[in-house]
Amino acid sequence: AQKVTQAQTEISVVEKEDVTLDCVYETRDTTYYLFWYKQPPSGELVFLIRRNSFDEQNEISGRYSWNFQKSTSSFNFTITASQVVDSAVYFCALSEARTGGFKTIFGAGTRLFVKA
Amino acid sequence: NAGVTQTPKFQVLKTGQSMTLQCAQDMNHEYMSWYRQDPGMGLRLIHYSVGAGITDQGEVPNGYNVSRSTTEDFPLRLLSAAPSQTSVYFCASSHTTGGRETQYFGPGTRLLVL
Repeated sequence: AQKVTQAQTEISVVEKEDVTLDCVYETRDTTYYLFWYKQPPSGELVFLIRRNSFDEQNEISGRYSWNFQKSTSSFNFTITASQVVDSAVYFCALSEARTGGFKTIFGAGTRLFVKA
Repeated sequence: NAGVTQTPKFQVLKTGQSMTLQCAQDMNHEYMSWYRQDPGMGLRLIHYSVGAGITDQGEVPNGYNVSRSTTEDFPLRLLSAAPSQTSVYFCASSHTTGGRETQYFGPGTRLLVL
């Protein structure tokens, strides 16, 4: 069965600090997809990234970076030089290719507070 | 582009009532899905569609029906509302270009079942 664990329930940092959000997943599939989403206090959902299991290259997008390690079944998300606008709940998610990659399972989320 | 739109934004139902949550997208995306989000939790997939005329069940499909007669619209029907269906419902659409996927979410519908 597939499972996503975000062990950090809440993280609080001061602006300009770097912060890493952890995501550990379980799956029986050899091909799968991993996702990160942001949900700011306004409640909307923002898609951040999708990674394929066969692509272990790290990805960087501005202040955001993602570290995918198959050996430890982790897909961690780092925000560099955090800003108050980064305050949100962040969700990690997984979908297995054998279900067409469409049945996505979410973690419980990590709430990030960035203080000015 | 309006993106993904959802109506209504907020709805109160009595147990046993039926209603349809509307979702529409104007980006010609093939894939659409419905999620529910309960307080303090992540999203759970209810139903999804990979194109007009094709739908399938997600993680928590019981009590919900969907149809996809057009690419643009993906309504979610509650046939007989129950208090356990009190939640925030999000509709999403996505497309993949050059191996990269992008997803878009609607603003959500907050449903309260009394």
